[in-house]
Amino acid sequence: GQQVMQIPQYQHVQEGEDFTTYCNSSTTLSNIQWYKQRPGGHPVFLIQLVKSGEVKKQKRLTFQFGEAKKNSSLHITATQTTDVGTYFCAGGNNRLAFGKGNQVVVIP
Amino acid sequence: DGGITQSPKYLFRKEGQNVTLSCEQNLNHDAMYWYRQDPGQGLRLIYYSQIVNDFQKGDIAEGYSVSREKKESFPLTVTSAQKNPTAFYLCASSRGLAVPQYFGPGTRLTVL
Repeated sequence: GQQVMQIPQYQHVQEGEDFTTYCNSSTTLSNIQWYKQRPGGHPVFLIQLVKSGEVKKQKRLTFQFGEAKKNSSLHITATQTTDVGTYFCAGGNNRLAFGKGNQVVVIP
Repeated sequence: DGGITQSPKYLFRKEGQNVTLSCEQNLNHDAMYWYRQDPGQGLRLIYYSQIVNDFQKGDIAEGYSVSREKKESFPLTVTSAQKNPTAFYLCASSRGLAVPQYFGPGTRLTVL
């Protein structure tokens, strides 16, 4: 089945710094979605990207969909302790495939 | 108050017993899903349903069973055939396939 790969799997980020997490697929995706799961919680939908080259911003978070619609990135600026958690991307055509997630630890 | 509910939050069972996890949604979504989450494994799809009285196996369906008799409900039974059932189980729903999914709070199942 379709697979979506996320890198890195783990990140330790100093509070105040920026970081990026990446999502890659071997096939073209109709859309890409990003979710955040706080420790002990459940995944929460953040955003969906549909168009080639699309860029969307949510405050300190910038989401990008690649021109070929095979990859995506999430960039967070000025990391805060509230950014801790696991970020999942999910892509698909007929059915969503979730990546394994990028677990982010924020160092105060 | 719209959303997805799962009960119970924590569940303990003895080895060899079947157990049924509840999932209810009032979002009027057609599609519902069950995922299993283990540390470092991400979300693995167990079963999904696009419509009432129909469901499909996901990537790790062995040892599990589901039913979809009502649009709002999608219970998951973890059978004694599931070799390693201790995990965090998440239910989700969506308007259709390949669109944003909304997750319930999850059930942590521990088999002793």
